[in-house]
Amino acid sequence: GAVVSQHPSRVICKSGTSVKIECRSLDFQATTMFWYRQFPKQSLMLMATSNEGSKATYEQGVEKDKFLINHASLTLSTLTVTSAHPEDSSFYICSAEDVGAYGYTFGSGTRLTVV
Amino acid sequence: KQEVTQIPAALSVPEGENLVLNCSFTDSAIYNLQWFRQDPGKGLTSLLLIQSSQREQTSGRLNASLDKSSGRSTLYIAASQPGDSATYLCAVLQEGGSEKLVFGKGTKLTVNP
Repeated sequence: GAVVSQHPSRVICKSGTSVKIECRSLDFQATTMFWYRQFPKQSLMLMATSNEGSKATYEQGVEKDKFLINHASLTLSTLTVTSAHPEDSSFYICSAEDVGAYGYTFGSGTRLTVV
Repeated sequence: KQEVTQIPAALSVPEGENLVLNCSFTDSAIYNLQWFRQDPGKGLTSLLLIQSSQREQTSGRLNASLDKSSGRSTLYIAASQPGDSATYLCAVLQEGGSEKLVFGKGTKLTVNP
């Protein structure tokens, strides 16, 4: 089945620094990938839709200059949290759709802690 | 605006019991519905995908049904095991090609040995 690899699984960074999270589709090509954020005991909230070769589409309330998304190839999308602050600490998950019968496949998530 | 509700928010059952998780959605114009499992601190694992034209899907001890017109889906777990303990999320994909999944808040299931 379709596999999405997300890296790193856990990262701790200092306030003011930037963190990059990678999302790769391993055995299929994904023209569109999605980035979600999850706060404790809350459901997943879509942050942005990443489109290969074009600008990402951000959901209302998500700062595009803070959460930079790059989808340079059909198998890789990256999310960079710039000038991170403690309130950015959260669980970030990416997903992609394999146009077969698998629906959406999710990465294993990244736990970001900003100290 | 599509809203997805999952009831109950939490459920604790003894091992071996059969159980049902519920998911409802306000807008029946969906393309498909998907059930996921999430273990603490982990990503999502897809369990079952039901297309809007389908009524149910089965995988092992899991059976998911879909009543699109009434905006309901259920996930039935037979002979529950402690390893089934996780949070179960349902998500719907809207018609119209938006490619956006709308998630419920999940049901946290605990199966006690």
